[in-house]
Amino acid sequence: NAGVTQTPKFRVLKTGQSMTLLCAQDMNHEYMYWYRQDPGMGLRLIHYSVGEGTTAKGEVPDGYNVSRLKKQNFLLGLESAAPSQTSVYFCASREDQSTEAFFGQGTRLTVV
Amino acid sequence: KNQVEQSPQSLIILEGKNCTLQCNYTVSPFSNLRWYKQDTGRGPVSLTIMTFSENTKSNGRYTATLDADTKQSSLHITASQLSDSASYICVVSSSGAGSYQLTFGKGTKLSVIP
Repeated sequence: NAGVTQTPKFRVLKTGQSMTLLCAQDMNHEYMYWYRQDPGMGLRLIHYSVGEGTTAKGEVPDGYNVSRLKKQNFLLGLESAAPSQTSVYFCASREDQSTEAFFGQGTRLTVV
Repeated sequence: KNQVEQSPQSLIILEGKNCTLQCNYTVSPFSNLRWYKQDTGRGPVSLTIMTFSENTKSNGRYTATLDADTKQSSLHITASQLSDSASYICVVSSSGAGSYQLTFGKGTKLSVIP
């Protein structure tokens, strides 16, 4: 049982490049989330999804897009990377509003 | 606006000593509160959950308390070990309709030294 798996673990991008981060969960969870974690800021919500085919904006959505075409996958896209998007990105999933959120191991992204 | 405040921001203790971390929240309507442990370079992992009706819950050397009236929670770590060095994050879930989001504290960074 893998839980929540993020791909890739590390990535370096040049300003203006695009990339997609993949989050996969094998627990049949309805809710999935993308967060970024910066020093002194805690975890901030980028986008989330409450079911297959649905997405919604979080606290810091600008510069990111997401898709949830399959229930088990939640993709985070950066269309034109900026240095301000240098961060550690975490994906999480949970069954419903009251249950525990399970996190992936994180993706460390550096934009130069 | 829902908020979670944690204190202290960081803490250094000697191995074997006890410590207590604090969490104050203003999340409404309240569903539950979880303490997560985040090791360096890893994702957060849940330690314990507190619901509205629970006052105290233990998980090994970790004991969490909840005062729903004052909207405060604490995490007490007994006989600390070097492996307890991590960030501890207080996370509150809301039960309101359409409340899909979690509210995170900024965490307390605990360092246990020999």
